[in-house]
Amino acid sequence: DAGVTQSPTHLIKTRGQQVTLRCSPKSGHDTVSWYQQALGQGPQFIFQYYEEEERQRGNFPDRFSGHQFPNYSSELNVNALLLGDSALYLCASSLNQVLVETQYFGPGTRLLVL
Amino acid sequence: GQQVMQIPQYQHVQEGEDFTTYCNSSTTLSNIQWYKQRPGGHPVFLIQLVKSGEVKKQKRLTFQFGEAKKNSSLHITATQTTDVGTYFCAGGAGFQKLVFGTGTRLLVSP
Repeated sequence: DAGVTQSPTHLIKTRGQQVTLRCSPKSGHDTVSWYQQALGQGPQFIFQYYEEEERQRGNFPDRFSGHQFPNYSSELNVNALLLGDSALYLCASSLNQVLVETQYFGPGTRLLVL
Repeated sequence: GQQVMQIPQYQHVQEGEDFTTYCNSSTTLSNIQWYKQRPGGHPVFLIQLVKSGEVKKQKRLTFQFGEAKKNSSLHITATQTTDVGTYFCAGGAGFQKLVFGTGTRLLVSP
């Protein structure tokens, strides 16, 4: 039973570019949440997808957008990259059953913006 | 917005000593979860507490949820070098959304 997988593992971009990160949830999970973790900080909630729609959003600008596919996998897109977008991007999957279900995190994508 | 603070930010102990990290939320939480993140790794779920005043134990780890559901603690008895990492609490803040604490980094010397 595969856990949460993310791709790519590492990425280097330059300011102004766009990036797409991908996530496949744990088998049987239908909800995907994305978090940004800057160095030395705790993960910050970006948004969450369920039934192919954005259900909740944190305090992130519209440059951050996402998508969920019918197979529950998800993408995170960031446009017009800034130096401050350099971080570990974590995907977490869960099952939409109770108020807050245990979330299983993927290994993350480390993004460096130069 | 909702904030979750943890103290201390960092603690260095000798192997065998005890360790405690405290988590405080600015608002009442529906539940609290604890995660451990090893250096270079990703957060790994440890436990979830839901009831006011709840106490749960996992071997040398003891987790507690405050009566007012605004604070929590994690206590490790007789630390081992394998306990090294950053411990995060995360509060339930609406449907399936977690607000992570600032984390406590634990270093254990042999």
